[in-house]
Amino acid sequence: GAVVSQHPSWVICKSGTSVKIECRSLDFQATTMFWYRQFPKQSLMLMATSNEGSKATYEQGVEKDKFLINHASLTLSTLTVTSAHPEDSSFYICSAISPGQSTDTQYFGPGTRLTVL
Amino acid sequence: AQSVAQPEDQVNVAEGNPLTVKCTYSVSGNPYLFWYVQYPNRGLQFLLKYITGDNLVKGSYGFEAEFNKSQTSFHLKKPSALVSDSALYFCAVIAPGSARQLTFGSGTQLTVLP
Repeated sequence: GAVVSQHPSWVICKSGTSVKIECRSLDFQATTMFWYRQFPKQSLMLMATSNEGSKATYEQGVEKDKFLINHASLTLSTLTVTSAHPEDSSFYICSAISPGQSTDTQYFGPGTRLTVL
Repeated sequence: AQSVAQPEDQVNVAEGNPLTVKCTYSVSGNPYLFWYVQYPNRGLQFLLKYITGDNLVKGSYGFEAEFNKSQTSFHLKKPSALVSDSALYFCAVIAPGSARQLTFGSGTQLTVLP
């Protein structure tokens, strides 16, 4: 149980285009999902907290108009990187919490490697 | 604000030897503490957590961690390391009232030598 998937696993795009990353909880309903960014050999940086049916809460310094988050259902959250630039290249990881599971354990997706040319 | 420190960027240990990956934390109130492991180009896998109760927590793959409130530590341990344990390990904390947000340490690269 507690499986989280991400799609795509990797993506290469041209500068100026937009990229959508999906995060799905496969065997549970996730009222809360988190989006992280990780640079090589560094820790995870929380970008935003996504609650189903409401607007995401962004961390300080994260541009909400650039990183659009939608949590339209209890099993799906999407992160869209708009007008991507090479500096947006990174490893993006989502996680999910189920209200029915034991306290506060986040289950992570496998990550999406974004490369912007 | 809460914080987590992993003082060692790299830990090397011989296969079969015990391993320890260190973690200390700073938080107001009673923390929730976690260990995650990350293999190359993969997301994080949950290993274990401390919420309350017994200070020694046992987790996946033979790992355990001991919560020490006086030293504000939560070191990860395993009695006998395997080469397959080689990975990046993250300690993390949730502070009370922090909307369930994890604060991660900087990570420790564990290498188990055959």
